Amino acid sequence: GENVEQHPSTLSVQEGDSAVIKCTYSDSASNYFPWYKQELGKRPQLIIDIRSNVGEKKDQRIAVTLNKTAKHFSLHITETQPEDSAVYFCAAIIWEYGNKLVFGAGTILRVKS
Amino acid sequence: DTGVSQDPRHKITKRGQNVTFRCDPISEHNRLYWYRQTLGQGPEFLTYFQNEAQLEKSRLLSDRFSAERPKGSFSTLEIQRTEQGDSAMYLCASSPHLGEQYFGPGTRLTVT
Repeated sequence: GENVEQHPSTLSVQEGDSAVIKCTYSDSASNYFPWYKQELGKRPQLIIDIRSNVGEKKDQRIAVTLNKTAKHFSLHITETQPEDSAVYFCAAIIWEYGNKLVFGAGTILRVKS
Repeated sequence: DTGVSQDPRHKITKRGQNVTFRCDPISEHNRLYWYRQTLGQGPEFLTYFQNEAQLEKSRLLSDRFSAERPKGSFSTLEIQRTEQGDSAMYLCASSPHLGEQYFGPGTRLTVT
């Protein structure tokens, strides 16, 4: 089955700097890769996602890139703000199956002001 | 609030007791998922439904766990004879047939 690895486990950046979180997946059939943000005590919130027919997707300060050959994808946050501090999870799924998301272990992002 | 809702938000129970959690999905979503999340980990899949049919169960879902979605709307997750290892956040998510999964706030279970 699918296995998703996520790095780093913790990331501290200065406000205004960029942050990059990387994930690798094992199942080459996976073709949908969402990213969730989870603040302490809150629900995971979908912040951006990418399909395998696209190499990059951007939404304001966040972007996701996908390298299908290498089976890895990354979340990029630019101009970080204190409210970006949270745990970020990547996940992978075969879209057409529409079943279980397989999550990475998460990255704790701390933005220092 | 038209998002996924879960009840209760917190549950403290003694080892050996039974507990039941409820999830109300987004109304037009026909898929409903249960995940379990322990501290410092990503959510782990437990089971999912399409309408009232339970289509997949994880091997994490021992015979003490049962989930239902009798009318294809809300779902319940029951844990019988709870153990301390069952302490976790139980998350519910819903989606259209093929679509993004949206999560509820979770039920935090503490087994003492």
